[in-house]
Amino acid sequence: GAGVSQSPRYKVAKRGQDVALRCDPISGHVSLFWYQQALGQGPEFLTYFQNEAQLDKSGLPSDRFFAERPEGSVSTLKIQRTQQEDSAVYLCASSFSGGRGAYNEQFFGPGTRLTVL
Amino acid sequence: AQKVTQAQTEISVVEKEDVTLDCVYETRDTTYYLFWYKQPPSGELVFLIRRNSFDEQNEISGRYSWNFQKSTSSFNFTITASQVVDSAVYFCALSERNAGGTSYGKLTFGQGTILTVHP
Repeated sequence: GAGVSQSPRYKVAKRGQDVALRCDPISGHVSLFWYQQALGQGPEFLTYFQNEAQLDKSGLPSDRFFAERPEGSVSTLKIQRTQQEDSAVYLCASSFSGGRGAYNEQFFGPGTRLTVL
Repeated sequence: AQKVTQAQTEISVVEKEDVTLDCVYETRDTTYYLFWYKQPPSGELVFLIRRNSFDEQNEISGRYSWNFQKSTSSFNFTITASQVVDSAVYFCALSERNAGGTSYGKLTFGQGTILTVHP
């Protein structure tokens, strides 16, 4: 389909392992967002890209979290030395533009459910 | 800092009843956007409605309507004649400028309201 896709859909990691979560935004969408959703909670902002530029990473919980979008399309969220508190659903969203002017709604992917044992 | 509060944790109704989901927000910005999203069991967030802070006119879109009141910082959402397929978690969200103050983007979500519609 033409929506936002994320892979893997499910990931089980042992504590201390590194994981990489992938997001394929809608083609042509300039803005890309990552959110973390803990069980029973609303999504919480992690980071924001406009093309390849990471303009806001204020929501990343620690320096173990790193995100990139090197060519302004696909993005990867990497978590190093995973901890149990990292268990959550990681949602990716994209929108058409991110500049000044009219706001464009964000389209969300299905998420990656990360379980850290 | 921005904040969104959905006081109702769970709501249960019978099909065809009307249901209103409450949302209260806090922001220091004078320009902002408010949203309602639906999250069905599949997990994907689905955009429902958007309202900007300049427009307090309340509207109806199909079975959905909303009541935006800046004076009370509330943005309530009503589903008329609810259906079983409306069962989901509903999130209210607020968007303000990003850390650089240059554009709108990051969404602040409430904790969600679980809506169950019984046949």
